[in-house]
Amino acid sequence: DTGVSQDPRHKITKRGQNVTFRCDPISEHNRLYWYRQTLGQGPEFLTYFQNEAQLEKSRLLSDRFSAERPKGSFSTLEIQRTEQGDSAMYLCASSPGGELGMNTEAFFGQGTRLTVV
Amino acid sequence: DQQVKQNSPSLSVQEGRISILNCDYTNSMFDYFLWYKKYPAEGPTFLISISSIKDKNEDGRFTVFLNKSAKHLSLHIVPSQPGDSAVYFCAASDRRRLSFGAGTTVTVRA
Repeated sequence: DTGVSQDPRHKITKRGQNVTFRCDPISEHNRLYWYRQTLGQGPEFLTYFQNEAQLEKSRLLSDRFSAERPKGSFSTLEIQRTEQGDSAMYLCASSPGGELGMNTEAFFGQGTRLTVV
Repeated sequence: DQQVKQNSPSLSVQEGRISILNCDYTNSMFDYFLWYKKYPAEGPTFLISISSIKDKNEDGRFTVFLNKSAKHLSLHIVPSQPGDSAVYFCAASDRRRLSFGAGTTVTVRA
């Protein structure tokens, strides 16, 4: 397994368009996370899944954002009616266990850089 | 509300010397702490971690110290190498998710 994979790596879209990103976690990892990172800031939590169940969503995740993990494997993050403020790096991570702790660290993908023009 | 803070946005150090990165947190529910390293155009990669029941964890050139009463942790890199030049993020876990600091950019000078 080559790690967490995200597609696309870069996306440029016009304001108002919808975009969808895909994340393939490390095989057998039960947890999957989405984070967003803007310039000069650390990653900000958006949401996470335990298998196919979405267990928590941040207040940052407005109604225009939706995430799915239909079969407990890959996940998609959709942003509807994109705004310029949505421009950021969107990071996906996965971890093997039920809780984040020793030996169950989160492993990140390379991210999808979104630019809204 | 920023629950994890890295107050030094940048650090410049001579090759071979020690790099010390600091991190403070406010949430007492955090019980596991990690450092991630990030190169440009890549995702963060896990570096080292420490449980709240310990005060030190060492892995090769990297040592993390935790002062639970002060809600402070630090990462020591000895000796610093040019390949260590990157952004370092401190992260804290409440077992559900990670909260990150804003990062410290380390530049190792030859």
